[in-house]
Amino acid sequence: DVKVTQSSRYLVKRTGEKVFLECVQDMDHENMFWYRQDPGLGLRLIYFSYDVKMKEKGDIPEGYSVSREKKERFSLILESASTNQTSMYLCASSRSPGLGSSSYEQYFGPGTRLTVT
Amino acid sequence: QQPVQSPQAVILREGEDAVINCSSSKALYSVHWYRQKHGEAPVFLMILLKGGEQKGHEKISASFNEKKQQSSLYLTASQLSYSGTYFCGTLTSYGQNFVFGPGTRLSVLP
Repeated sequence: DVKVTQSSRYLVKRTGEKVFLECVQDMDHENMFWYRQDPGLGLRLIYFSYDVKMKEKGDIPEGYSVSREKKERFSLILESASTNQTSMYLCASSRSPGLGSSSYEQYFGPGTRLTVT
Repeated sequence: QQPVQSPQAVILREGEDAVINCSSSKALYSVHWYRQKHGEAPVFLMILLKGGEQKGHEKISASFNEKKQQSSLYLTASQLSYSGTYFCGTLTSYGQNFVFGPGTRLSVLP
């Protein structure tokens, strides 16, 4: 059974704190993604990675950074959390070396609901 | 650029049919459909590649009109389990810009 796990389901942080969100997949997928989900806006891509130590900015990378030191793990970092980063964060993974010629399904983790006060 | 989904929300009775549309202003290579039930992660339904082929998944099928850059998801004889938010995701022909739409909330009532 394929699995994407995220370190926390709920997280409460204070403004200015550094926040780490961890994601682990056990499917040996090349691609990993971080999305942010807000009502009425759908899933917006923050960053994705197509290989270890490789990363690409998505649509809303400002205020975020990522790290992928191992194939199975993809971390999202909020350097200095702000209230407008309160949201649901979803991690996903997929196989294929990229989103180019053949597109494979993405498997999502359960999400982390982050509240910044 | 985010694709447009319509309607934003729809309420059905069990057994009724529904159509959810997804359109883009850009040339598309593929369209993906996902369903997210309340409190759960999105789950993949199907991918449609350009060529206009229609795909099916149980009583849920979809089509892709390459000329109109539009895909439609058809839910036939809806069941309570179909309730959730349906997202389309589009991959453009030029580059690797995969983008999800804002979602369509579907509620099936007994």
